[in-house]
Formats: sequence, C-alpha cells, structure tokens
Amino acid sequence: GENVEQHPSTLSVQEGDSAVIKCTYSDSASNYFPWYKQELGKRPQLIIDIRSNVGEKKDQRIAVTLNKTAKHFSLHITETQPEDSAVYFCAASIPGGKSTFGDGTTLTVKP
Amino acid sequence: GAVVSQHPSWVICKSGTSVKIECRSLDFQATTMFWYRQFPKQSLMLMATSNEGSKATYEQGVEKDKFLINHASLTLSTLTVTSAHPEDSSFYICSAPRVLGNSGREQFFGPGTRLTVL
Repeated sequence: GENVEQHPSTLSVQEGDSAVIKCTYSDSASNYFPWYKQELGKRPQLIIDIRSNVGEKKDQRIAVTLNKTAKHFSLHITETQPEDSAVYFCAASIPGGKSTFGDGTTLTVKP
Repeated sequence: GAVVSQHPSWVICKSGTSVKIECRSLDFQATTMFWYRQFPKQSLMLMATSNEGSKATYEQGVEKDKFLINHASLTLSTLTVTSAHPEDSSFYICSAPRVLGNSGREQFFGPGTRLTVL
C-alpha cells in the first residue's frame, strides 16, 4: 500500500519567516496531494492541494510543489503568522479517493 | 461548499457498550465514504472504506466485527463500535469525496466524533 513520510515532525519559526514541510510517497498511482491544517480538537481543514499533472500551485502565502518523478511534494508558507501555528498533514490519494496521511508536522510561529 | 456532518460530536460510554456514529453528506451524494481514527497527537489512520450498497473494505489490522459499517444510502454511513473498551477511545473522523467538475475529487471531512470509553 501507499506509504507517506513527512518531515520535520516539529518546526518552530519566527514570525515573518518561511516554513517548509516535505513529504514523500511510494505509490506511483497516487495523483492527488492535499495539505491539511488541524487545530487542536478540530477537523482537518484543506489549505491547498495539487494534482499530479501540475508541478506547482500557489495561493497567497501558501504554495505546494510536486516532483512526481522523485515522488515528493512540499508545502511552503511564507511570511508566517502566529495563527499559522497548527499541525499540518500531507496526504497522498489514489484515484478512488482513499488517502494516506503523513504523521504530521507541528508548526509553531513565535511572535 | 460541500458539507459533511457527524453525530454525535462527542460521546462517553461504559466499557462493553456499543456506540453508533453517523456520517452524512448534506448537499451531495457519496457512494463512498472513508472512516479514519486519530489518536491524540497522531495522524489520521484509515480504518475502512464504506461503500453504498455493498460491504465495507477494512484496512489491515482493523477488526470488521468490532467496527461495523453500514452505508445504507447515498448520504449516510454509520460506524458502530461494538463492545467498546478504553483503548477504543479516539477521535473518529469520516470523509466523503466529491467530484468537482474537471478538477477531480476533493475530500470533505466531517467535524469528528470524540469517543471516550470509561
């Protein structure tokens, strides 16, 4: 089955700095790669996603890159703010919709 | 946007009892729904795929006789934790994929159900 590895497990940055979280996946059939932000006690919220026919996608301060050959994708957050502090999960999904999640990255943005 | 609801949002039960959790897609039909479990400070682990009109598909290591799944309609899937024990205490989250035109599918997550077994 699919195996998703996510790094780092914790990340602490100063407000205004950039944060990068990386994930690798194993199943070449995966074609949809969403990123979720989860605040304590709440459901995961989709913040950005990318499909396998695209190499990069940007939405304001958030961007995701995908290297399908190397089977890795990354989340980039620029100009971080304290409200960006949360746990971030990457996921790899096969066409049927089944998702495998990374172990999560706890991001702390220090004011 | 698409909405997925879960009921109840939290439940506390005694060891040995059964608990039913409902997952509903409110404004779209979902022939497939997914059930995840999330232990504190851990990731979401897929438990099973719920298929409307047919048997659920369980992930390796998940006891199908303990976690009963019924996908009775295109908008409702239920997860029943039978003979619950303290180790079943967790956050249970369902999701339903929705086709978004030419954009493929997007997963919509329910708000989750926090189960505490005493």
